[in-house]
Amino acid sequence: GIQVEQSPPDLILQEGANSTLRCNFSDSVNNLQWFHQNPWGQLINLFYIPSGTKQNGRLSATTVATERYSLLYISSSQTTDSGVYFCAVAQGGSEKLVFGKGTKLTVNP
Amino acid sequence: ETGVTQSPTHLIKTRGQQVTLRCSSQSGHNTVSWYQQALGQGPQFIFQYYREEENGRGNFPPRFSGLQFPNYSSELNVNALELDDSALYLCASSLGPPGRTYFGPGTRLLVL
Repeated sequence: GIQVEQSPPDLILQEGANSTLRCNFSDSVNNLQWFHQNPWGQLINLFYIPSGTKQNGRLSATTVATERYSLLYISSSQTTDSGVYFCAVAQGGSEKLVFGKGTKLTVNP
Repeated sequence: ETGVTQSPTHLIKTRGQQVTLRCSSQSGHNTVSWYQQALGQGPQFIFQYYREEENGRGNFPPRFSGLQFPNYSSELNVNALELDDSALYLCASSLGPPGRTYFGPGTRLLVL
C-alpha cells in the first residue's frame, strides 16, 4: 500500500518563529489533507490540497503531486499551534485515508 | 452547521466484552469512516460507509463491525474486546469520496 513519511518527527520552536513540515508519499494520490491534533485528541482539518497551493491565515500548504510531496508552512508560530500535525492521503475513489506518523510541534513562549 | 459528534467520550471495558460506539456525521455528509488511533501513532482506517453500504475496509478483524443509518449516523461495534483494542476511536464524515474529511472528538476506550 501507499507509504506516507513526515519530517521532522519533532520540532521545538520559540513563539514567533516560522516552520516547514514535509510529507512525502510513495504513489499518486487524488486526496491529500493536513490535520492538526490538539492535546485533547481532536483532529482539525487544516487543508484539503491534492495539488497546488492554499493559504489560511498564518498557515499555507503546497502539494507538488508530480513529485509526490506536500509542505505545510506555519508562520509567526503561537503556543496554540502546539500539537501533532498529520498528513493523510487517499487514492482513486477511496476515502481510506492513510496517515503519516505525524510531526510533533512544541511552541514555547 | 453541526459538526461530527461522538458518544461516549470515554469508556472502560474488560477483556471479552462487547462495545458500541456512536457517531453523528456533519450535516449533509453521506460518508462516514471510522479510525483507530493507538497512543503515539497516526489513525488507522477501520472501515467506511457510503449511503448505508460498506465502502472499504482496513486491516481489522471481523469482530469490528459497523452500521450506517438512513440519517447517516453510524455505529462501530467491537466484539470480544482485547487489551490491544485500547485506543482513541475517531469517526469522520465527508460529502462523498473524495472530499475534505472532518473528524469528531473521539471516544477513548480502555480495555482492562
